[in-house]
Amino acid sequence: QQQVKQSPQSLIVQKGGISIINCAYENTAFDYFPWYQQFPGKGPALLIAIRPDVSEKKEGRFTISFNKSAKQFSLHIMDSQPGDSATYFCAAGSFGNEKLTFGTGTRLTIIP
Amino acid sequence: NAGVTQTPKFQVLKTGQSMTLQCAQDMNHNSMYWYRQDPGMGLRLIYYSASEGTTDKGEVPNGYNVSRLNKREFSLRLESAAPSQTSVYFCASSPRDTGQFFGPGTRLTVL
Repeated sequence: QQQVKQSPQSLIVQKGGISIINCAYENTAFDYFPWYQQFPGKGPALLIAIRPDVSEKKEGRFTISFNKSAKQFSLHIMDSQPGDSATYFCAAGSFGNEKLTFGTGTRLTIIP
Repeated sequence: NAGVTQTPKFQVLKTGQSMTLQCAQDMNHNSMYWYRQDPGMGLRLIYYSASEGTTDKGEVPNGYNVSRLNKREFSLRLESAAPSQTSVYFCASSPRDTGQFFGPGTRLTVL
């Protein structure tokens, strides 16, 4: 049973544009939502994370928006750059339980 | 500070062979994990260990065994490899209440 649904599978954005990746979860016990970035041949790396006590978290060009009632959260990459081209995974977990459930990933390509 | 290290980086096995994937972390984290990554499937948890001496099954444990040798090391064993176990395997570790840190992965092919 997939508990975190991620879309789109792939995304092409022009340099300077906004990249948006969406995730939806089912388990209302989830209260920790990280995003991971993975470059080819590398392991995933933590990019940014949010807890449901806030609706938005921003770190540089990366922003997580969180909608608790809809059980959805999204990653926005502002002013997208070719170096942002990677696969992005959303995940969800519960406080005090370090296990995470991952989405299926979005391959992002930024074109000049 | 090497973070999470995994050996080997690449491995080719024949069906029925066994092997152990090694993982070590030097960040003094309590929790460690083994995932497999397949195209279109994301990261699926095989086993995890919340602390030294404890292990629990994840989403896809069949065909695998694990050992939490000490706080630093967490190994994954394939007793009788099958082509369906062809995948990229990632080890991760985490302190309490924060994100997981991943190793560079082991690319395994079972013929």
